[in-house]
Amino acid sequence: EVQLVESGGGLVQPGRSLRLSCAASGFTFDDYAMHWVRQAPGKGLEWVSGISWNSGSIGYADSVKGRFTISRDNAKNSLYLQMNSLRAEDTALYYCAKVAARRVKGESYFDYWGQGTLVTVSS
Amino acid sequence: EIVMTQSPATLSVSPGERATLSCRASQSVSSNLAWYQQKPGQAPRLLIYGASTRATGIPARFSGSGSGTEFTLTISSLQSEDFAVYYCQQYNNWPPRITFGPGTKVDIK
Repeated sequence: EVQLVESGGGLVQPGRSLRLSCAASGFTFDDYAMHWVRQAPGKGLEWVSGISWNSGSIGYADSVKGRFTISRDNAKNSLYLQMNSLRAEDTALYYCAKVAARRVKGESYFDYWGQGTLVTVSS
Repeated sequence: EIVMTQSPATLSVSPGERATLSCRASQSVSSNLAWYQQKPGQAPRLLIYGASTRATGIPARFSGSGSGTEFTLTISSLQSEDFAVYYCQQYNNWPPRITFGPGTKVDIK
């Protein structure tokens, strides 16, 4: 059974940093690209960042480029999101999501999602 | 950035009726379009990918169509469990530059 478990969220002051983690199990982690998607309270889905299976390709939303860094450790079956210079508008539930297609560039649609970890940026 | 729009924002439908949801891209995304369903307190669920292919386990009452910039999700006969928010998502770029639509809420009439 595929499981994605996010952690690392919490309350943080504006301008500070936070690192999110996603522990994956139930599939061959290093065969799949992984992504972070967030959802502000009561709002829609916003894609944040994605990384290919071998970390060779990475993309970011304009809203986080230069502040957030995505990475993965295939030996630990884990995905990370380092978030620096946090702003109030980064407050959201952050989901880790697995793409459906194995080792395929593009085809970035998500067949499994975690339950999310809540990040609140406030003084 | 490719901007996705969805209409209507809210769709009120009676159980058993047909629901038609629209999604438009600001530029062509070919068939690189997915649909998700999200219920309160839950993560999104993949319904459709490649604009028209149902994901594993998705009932046949859900169907997708379109290509380029205009897409449609049709629910042929709404069941009680289908009342939810539906999002479209384009994935036309690599490295990824993914965007979601703002969602359509389907509620009970």
